[in-house]
Amino acid sequence: EAGVTQFPSHSVIEKGQTVTLRCDPISGHDNLYWYRRVMGKEIKFLLHFVKESKQDESGMPNNRFLAERTGGTYSTLKVQPAELEDSGVYFCASSQDLWGRKTQYFGPGTRLLVL
Amino acid sequence: AQSVTQLGSHVSVSEGALVLLRCNYSSSVPPYLFWYVQYPNQGLQLLLKYTTGATLVKGINGFEAEFKKSETSFHLTKPSAHMSDAAEYFCAVSDQMESTLTFGKGTMLLVSP
Repeated sequence: EAGVTQFPSHSVIEKGQTVTLRCDPISGHDNLYWYRRVMGKEIKFLLHFVKESKQDESGMPNNRFLAERTGGTYSTLKVQPAELEDSGVYFCASSQDLWGRKTQYFGPGTRLLVL
Repeated sequence: AQSVTQLGSHVSVSEGALVLLRCNYSSSVPPYLFWYVQYPNQGLQLLLKYTTGATLVKGINGFEAEFKKSETSFHLTKPSAHMSDAAEYFCAVSDQMESTLTFGKGTMLLVSP
């Protein structure tokens, strides 16, 4: 069974540009999460989809970030326009069930550098 | 609100020595506790988790952790370190009401020959 995949693995862009990150969850997982780790800090929650609906987007830093999940399958996270402080590693995770006891399986992350 | 504290951003051990990575949490409801590991250039991999039941949890690669409610701790141990254990380790908490994970800052484990 394929794990969570993320694309691209690395992205280097200039301030003001737009970047779109993609996450493909494990097949059949209704729950999809985005997290971010800024250098030197902890991994922080951004948002949570249940199928195509946003269950919780309380962690989204501002309106420059837009997440979508088309048809409840893959998800994209767009940053527009990117700022220097957006640099970090963006992780996607998926799980089979809503409740906290279910394991979240993480992708390898996208390393974003904004210059 | 939940929080996780991992003592020590870096821990160094010799190969064959005991590994002890500390994690303390705060949660207003019974927690679910997790340890994840990130090897270089890879994603996060679940080592072990505690949800309910036995407080001593065994995970992969010889690691185990014990949930101590009175101490609000979930320390990770391994009796004998191997060079391949060198990685960054993350403690995380969630609960039955919230499925999102709250992470600690991570501890880098360095293993010397």
